[in-house]
Amino acid sequence: GDSVTQMEGPVTLSEEAFLTINCTYTATGYPSLFWYVQYPGEGLQLLLKATKADDKGSNKGFEATYRKETTSFHLEKGSVQVSDSAVYFCALSDGNKLVFGAGTILRVKS
Amino acid sequence: DAGVIQSPRHEVTEMGQEVTLRCKPISGHNSLFWYRQTMMRGLELLIYFNNNVPIDDSGMPEDRFSAKMPNASFSTLKIQPSEPRDSAVYFCASRRKRRSGSDEQFFGPGTRLTVL
Repeated sequence: GDSVTQMEGPVTLSEEAFLTINCTYTATGYPSLFWYVQYPGEGLQLLLKATKADDKGSNKGFEATYRKETTSFHLEKGSVQVSDSAVYFCALSDGNKLVFGAGTILRVKS
Repeated sequence: DAGVIQSPRHEVTEMGQEVTLRCKPISGHNSLFWYRQTMMRGLELLIYFNNNVPIDDSGMPEDRFSAKMPNASFSTLKIQPSEPRDSAVYFCASRRKRRSGSDEQFFGPGTRLTVL
């Protein structure tokens, strides 16, 4: 079945550092890809999405590009802030339901 | 828009008791999902509905769990009897399913369940 694998955390960075969280997927079709973010004590919020190969999703300084050849959707941000500390989930959709990765904890120190 | 509403936000109960979690999806959304989140197992899809009809309940752990969606604006997840291993955060999410295009889900704030 479809699956998502993302890098284990926690990832600890200093403020203004560059962020990469790796995500790869396995799917039989052509899924849509998502990054969701979960702040402490809250539900998941959509951060960005891409619906087809070579699409780039972006939001709040975060970017991810749908790479069909490497089945990847890595999340990047050029300069992280303390307020970015959260859990980040990569997910794919087969058109019906979402399949989530295990989540990566990001901690940003000032 | 009020977003997805879940109640209660926190529930503490004793083993063997019945627990009912409630969800009000975003108005106009026609799909509803129930998830469970634990440290050990991460985020698991329990069941989802399209147009109030259960489509896939393969994630429901056992017969102690049941979910209903009597109308487009309300769903319940019931655990009877509850066990300590049911302790988790339960999320409800809703979506407006379209024929094409992305299918973003909107999550509620979750219900933190503790079974003693």
